[in-house]
Amino acid sequence: SQQGEEDPQALSIQEGENATMNCSYKTSINNLQWYRQNSGRGLVHLILIRSNEREKHSGRLRVTLDTSKKSSSLLITASRAADTASYFCATGMDTGRRALTFGSGTRLQVQP
Amino acid sequence: DAGVTQSPTHLIKTRGQQVTLRCSPKSGHDTVSWYQQALGQGPQFIFQYYEEEERQRGNFPDRFSGHQFPNYSSELNVNALLLGDSALYLCASSPLEGNEQFFGPGTRLTVL
Repeated sequence: SQQGEEDPQALSIQEGENATMNCSYKTSINNLQWYRQNSGRGLVHLILIRSNEREKHSGRLRVTLDTSKKSSSLLITASRAADTASYFCATGMDTGRRALTFGSGTRLQVQP
Repeated sequence: DAGVTQSPTHLIKTRGQQVTLRCSPKSGHDTVSWYQQALGQGPQFIFQYYEEEERQRGNFPDRFSGHQFPNYSSELNVNALLLGDSALYLCASSPLEGNEQFFGPGTRLTVL
């Protein structure tokens, strides 16, 4: 079963616009990660935020985490056609040895 | 430095057959995790290996088994294939320190 749900399931925007995706999860976590997947291939790690952090930035990405609401959001600013992909949140425990639990993903389409 | 590699890329089998998928982790990684991703869904954790032993297992039947070799590479075996086993199988390796998992490109298994 999936740990959480991404919202929306699908999102279509124009190049240059911002894209916001939300993730909710069910159990306590130590960290939350966002991954991108192009065309059903391997996942690429985007950013990790720890449970004691509220916001984190990486380039055009901004991630927030609200542990009281068990939710996270991923903001992609000034989107590009190359950002078209599926985006997944994954929750994990403290070390890489622990399994990741993924949500169901948001499919983002950026129109040129 | 090669990333995570998987073979084969695609595989077609018939119901009842057995299949073996292979994964080589990123250099310096000792932990390998396997995930199953059905079409339109997020990856689901199958199991994780390090020090040549299965350390964690998700909610998958015993038809799914694995192995890790002394060089940290890993195999995933699925016996008595069912139509529902058709999916993208992803391998991920983890660094000795840190929380990020590095994913391979996956093996697309089709069961007819």
